[in-house]
Amino acid sequence: AQSVAQPEDQVNVAEGNPLTVKCTYSVSGNPYLFWYVQYPNRGLQFLLKYITGDNLVKGSYGFEAEFNKSQTSFHLKKPSALVSDSALYFCAVSPGYSTLTFGKGTMLLVSP
Amino acid sequence: SAVISQKPSRDICQRGTSLTIQCQVDSQVTMMFWYRQQPGQSLTLIATANQGSEATYESGFVIDKFPISRPNLTFSTLTVSNMSPEDSSIYLCSVTFGTGGYEQYFGPGTRLTVT
Repeated sequence: AQSVAQPEDQVNVAEGNPLTVKCTYSVSGNPYLFWYVQYPNRGLQFLLKYITGDNLVKGSYGFEAEFNKSQTSFHLKKPSALVSDSALYFCAVSPGYSTLTFGKGTMLLVSP
Repeated sequence: SAVISQKPSRDICQRGTSLTIQCQVDSQVTMMFWYRQQPGQSLTLIATANQGSEATYESGFVIDKFPISRPNLTFSTLTVSNMSPEDSSIYLCSVTFGTGGYEQYFGPGTRLTVT
């Protein structure tokens, strides 16, 4: 069975600073990895994915994530945070074309 | 992606009653899923809605409590039966398009409160 760990309940960063939201995973075989964002009272929005290929993937709203197979990590990053990035971020993993397992989520708070 | 809508967006229901949630997509999709997000929690998969056949339920979820229909490639319903306050959650449907994308796209969710 697959699992996802998001070790931080909350990440605080000042606007303009770089941000990182951490994610580690466990899955049999090659992982399919995803990041989603949830704004208050909204559904989940897909940000980016890693399926295969380049370890650095770029997604929506200037976000990117780095796949590290040896560390089984898929951290979400952004070079310069915006106040509007404040939201709940979920990492998810799938063993293939199958169901997703989500982490517990990390609240990102960007202060002006 | 596609436009995914859910009805109702929210509801307050009494204990012991049932609520049916609809999920409509504006294009044909390969797979549809139903998730529950309890207050302050992550998403938990309830079931995969299979077109023309019975849904595939995850451990801890049963058809009698969460009957699901999927009559075609653009529509599904989830019923929450004999509700209790513990069923108060956000219920989300999601879809995939089967063209190798793998990612799921989510509806806006239905916020259910059971009193």
